[in-house]
Amino acid sequence: AQTVTQSQPEMSVQEAETVTLSCTYDTSESNYYLFWYKQPPSRQMILVIRQEAYKQQNATENRFSVNFQKAAKSFSLKISDSQLGDTAMYFCAFMRGSQGNLIFGKGTKLSVKP
Amino acid sequence: EAQVTQNPRYLITVTGKKLTVTCSQNMNHEYMSWYRQDPGLGLRQIYYSMNVEVTDKGDVPEGYKVSRKEKRNFPLILESPSPNQTSLYFCASKSGRLEAFFGQGTRLTVV
Repeated sequence: AQTVTQSQPEMSVQEAETVTLSCTYDTSESNYYLFWYKQPPSRQMILVIRQEAYKQQNATENRFSVNFQKAAKSFSLKISDSQLGDTAMYFCAFMRGSQGNLIFGKGTKLSVKP
Repeated sequence: EAQVTQNPRYLITVTGKKLTVTCSQNMNHEYMSWYRQDPGLGLRQIYYSMNVEVTDKGDVPEGYKVSRKEKRNFPLILESPSPNQTSLYFCASKSGRLEAFFGQGTRLTVV
């Protein structure tokens, strides 16, 4: 069974600084997808970034980028120029193949301080 | 607008009183799923459905039922709610390898 581990329950960062959230996963599959979701205090689940395992290039979305290390089964999220609006829970998620279930980590609570 | 709609957003009920949380999506997605979110435990899958009339258990199915009679709807049924089902519930839908869309969440309290 696939598992997703987020080892940092809580983190904080100063506004405008850079922070990296960790995520590791365990799978024997070769075809899978990885996601980072953001959950602000409004509770809405918002997709931040997606990575296809077959792509070697790390995904980037504006201030958000990932460091995808397939051999190490690591998928960290880097937030550059942190903003107060980045304060949220962040969930790492794994999906097997193109039809599989989404499996979530336990989340990292990020606080951005002014 | 593409969306997943859950109702109600908030619900307080008593132990043993049957309830249904509705979920509807307007994106013609085949896959739908229910999760519960608890502090320190992340999102855990309750049930999922790959298509109409096809449902399967997730990681925490005990005490829950689902049905998928039509593509757009995937209600979550608690036949006899108990306090340990107090949680935040999310419905989600997706198409293939694309990202999942989530409902707004339902905060359920069972007293």
